[in-house]
This record gives sequence, structure tokens and C-alpha cells, in this order.
Amino acid sequence: DSGVTQTPKHLITATGQRVTLRCSPRSGDLSVYWYQQSLDQGLQFLIQYYNGEERAKGNILERFSAQQFPDLHSELNLSSLELGDSALYFCASSVTDRTLISGNTIYFGEGSWLTVV
Amino acid sequence: QQQVKQSPQSLIVQKGGISIINCAYENTAFDYFPWYQQFPGKGPALLIAIRPDVSEKKEGRFTISFNKSAKQFSLHIMDSQPGDSATYFCAASLSPGGYQKVTFGTGTKLQVIP
Repeated sequence: DSGVTQTPKHLITATGQRVTLRCSPRSGDLSVYWYQQSLDQGLQFLIQYYNGEERAKGNILERFSAQQFPDLHSELNLSSLELGDSALYFCASSVTDRTLISGNTIYFGEGSWLTVV
Repeated sequence: QQQVKQSPQSLIVQKGGISIINCAYENTAFDYFPWYQQFPGKGPALLIAIRPDVSEKKEGRFTISFNKSAKQFSLHIMDSQPGDSATYFCAASLSPGGYQKVTFGTGTKLQVIP
């Protein structure tokens, strides 16, 4: 168990709809990342937040948005869903202090399976 | 400059054999190189990691070899077992300004056959 919690685990929705994926990072982690993994695809970085602020953006569509709340949990909002948005969405978190012995490692949740029909 | 190139895309190895996965990076500012293992339906999990001041790190049957001058690193799985069948991702990270940027390779699907 990585300590990163994602809900829901599975979600089936229709095209055009909107969904929200939720992530609770590991205790003490300030940084949250969202990744998309499609069938036979690698991990596509979407967006990163650090202590409530957006830090980096990757290949995130304009229909997608995210935020990190004061309690450090994060939500990924996907709107106007298309069939091609069907994928496994991962949240990950990390402790960003470089002086920590554990190193600069990110820990992944088990993902939220989104199926758009 | 942020890219990490991983090969091969897929790999089939006999039980007991050595599995080798290679990665190459461009950004010399990367300061941490982890490998992740992902089983079907699960999230990637940290397997082993290395810093650029070390040329090799071994944990059980898993070894990372690091060549700083060539900007390459590789994962060796000795005595490969069917339970090692998974997708492996290399990654590289750096921490500008106190937060972290992580770049992943495209993944290698390993199948170990009995």
C-alpha cells in the first residue's frame, strides 16, 4: 500500500458528461501529480500541484482541470467526456524536500478506471 | 531535454534468465533515477532507485547500472521469475526550487516464461 488513496476505483459514464476523480496524498506529502495511462500507453503526465499551487502542466486537455485543496487532497475534473478519454488515471504524491534520505520519489495510487461509453 | 528514452518496448525472457531494460536521458540536471514496476490493474510501485554519484546499485535480484558520461542507465533482473512479469518504467527527476519534476520512460512490458 503506497498510502495514496484514489476514488472512485471504477467509473462508467456517457460521452458529454463530467466526472471528478479524487486523490488523498500520503501523509506529509505536499506535491500531487496526475497521470493518464491509456491501453498500451505509457504514463502521460497531466498536471502537478505543490502545496495548493499549480507547478507544472503536461499534456492536459482544456476540458480537464485540477486543483489541490488546503488539506492537500486533489481533484481532477474531466468534462465533455469523449470515448478517447477512457483510461486509467493515476494520482501520485511526493515529499519534495531534497534533504530527506528517502530521496525524490513519487508514490502512486492504484488508479481510477474511467470508461466512457 | 526532459525526455527519457526507454527500450525495448517489450521483452520475453526464459525463467532463470537475465532481463535487461535500458534508458537514456538528455538533461544532465536530473539527480535521481528510479525504476517502477507495474502489475496489471495496479499503480506503478517504486522498485529501486539510484543517484548519479553511484555507478551501480543492487537490491536482491535487481541491479541498476548507471553511466553518467553516456547519460544511460539500465535495469538488470537476474534469475528472472514468472512473478517478475510486469511493465517496468524508468524515470528521472530533478527538484528545481524545492518541488519535483519527474519524467517517465515509455515502459517495457516484461514477460518471463517458464
